[in-house]
Amino acid sequence: DAGVTQSPTHLIKTRGQQVTLRCSPKSGHDTVSWYQQALGQGPQFIFQYYEEEERQRGNFPDRFSGHQFPNYSSELNVNALLLGDSALYLCASSLEGRLLEQFFGPGTRLTVL
Amino acid sequence: LAKTTQPISMDSYEGQEVNITCSHNNIATNDYITWYQQFPSQGPRFIIQGYKTKVTNEVASLFIPADRKSSTLSLPRVSLSDTAVYYCLVGDGNTDKLIFGTGTRLQVFP
Repeated sequence: DAGVTQSPTHLIKTRGQQVTLRCSPKSGHDTVSWYQQALGQGPQFIFQYYEEEERQRGNFPDRFSGHQFPNYSSELNVNALLLGDSALYLCASSLEGRLLEQFFGPGTRLTVL
Repeated sequence: LAKTTQPISMDSYEGQEVNITCSHNNIATNDYITWYQQFPSQGPRFIIQGYKTKVTNEVASLFIPADRKSSTLSLPRVSLSDTAVYYCLVGDGNTDKLIFGTGTRLQVFP
């Protein structure tokens, strides 16, 4: 079992550009959550997907959007990048009903210049 | 979602037992207490979860008093590799998202 995988590992973009990050959940997991972690801070919840629908959303603007595919993998899209979007983006998977026990991927380090 | 409060940092030495206490005064009846560990540049890792009294696994123990307004994560005989940030979270496993605070930065010295 490969666990949660994310791609790419690192990414450099410029302000105003758009980015897509990808996540494959742990085998058997049906729920995917995305988090943004700035340096020195705890992860901040962006949104959660279950059955290809956004089920919950944190306090992030509409520039942040996502998608879940039938195989449970997920994408996070960020439009009109700002310098403040530079962070580690974490994907976590879990089972429905066990949302507090999440398995995190290694993250994608996004740098916006 | 109940708010949690934990110390910003703690220091210890190898071989000692470390206890990190978290307060969650507004914990709800359906809430569970969950702890995560995070190493630099890695995603958090689930350590332990409990509802009341004591839970133990191969990594840690979790002590929860009867009023459930606090909890203590106990790491027996820490090693240098236990240096990490530890997060305490409280929530309902059926409906809640994870809300991370700033965590407790544990530094283990030789």
